Amino acid sequence: GAVVSQHPSRVICKSGTSVKIECRSLDFQATTMFWYRQFPKKSLMLMATSNEGSKATYEQGVEKDKFLINHASLTLSTLTVTSAHPEDSSFYICSALEGGGNEQFFGPGTRLTVL
Amino acid sequence: AQSVTQPDIHITVSEGASLELRCNYSYGATPYLFWYVQSPGQGLQLLLKYFSGDTLVQGIKGFEAEFKRSQSSFNLRKPSVHWSDAAEYFCAVGFDRGSTLGRLYFGRGTQLTVWP
Repeated sequence: GAVVSQHPSRVICKSGTSVKIECRSLDFQATTMFWYRQFPKKSLMLMATSNEGSKATYEQGVEKDKFLINHASLTLSTLTVTSAHPEDSSFYICSALEGGGNEQFFGPGTRLTVL
Repeated sequence: AQSVTQPDIHITVSEGASLELRCNYSYGATPYLFWYVQSPGQGLQLLLKYFSGDTLVQGIKGFEAEFKRSQSSFNLRKPSVHWSDAAEYFCAVGFDRGSTLGRLYFGRGTQLTVWP
């Protein structure tokens, strides 16, 4: 099956710094990638949808200037948490969709802890 | 508005017992339906999916689910639970965006505990 990787799997940073999380589709071209946030014992909350070569579409309530998404190629999307604060600590999961596909493939997630 | 309801937050069963996890959705058209499983600190693994055709779908690890249009439900079942099935289970609903799957709407999840 299709494989999606995320890097890093775990990151700890100081408040005020920026953190970049990568999402890669390893064996297929992902025209669309999704970024989710998951709070402890909570469901996945869609943050944004990114299409290769165009600006991301953010869900209501998600700050686009804080969560920068770049989908520069068909195999890579990045999420940058700018000026991170402790309340940004969470589990971030990406998923990727092949063009014309009907199944999202999920990455293993990135645990972000902001001190 | 689209919504997905998993009414059971936590279910506990004994190993070897049968299992049913409930999922109901609210959506205007026939959706795509998915069940995912998540182990602690891990990403999501697809158990099974329904797009069309036979309303009883078989998945991995001995799971199956039945789509009932009249009840807007897609309940997950397993006849005999194993201790390794303990995890969080998510139901998700998607829709057709042209020929491509659109965004997914997730239920809040059901935590499964298995007693030895």
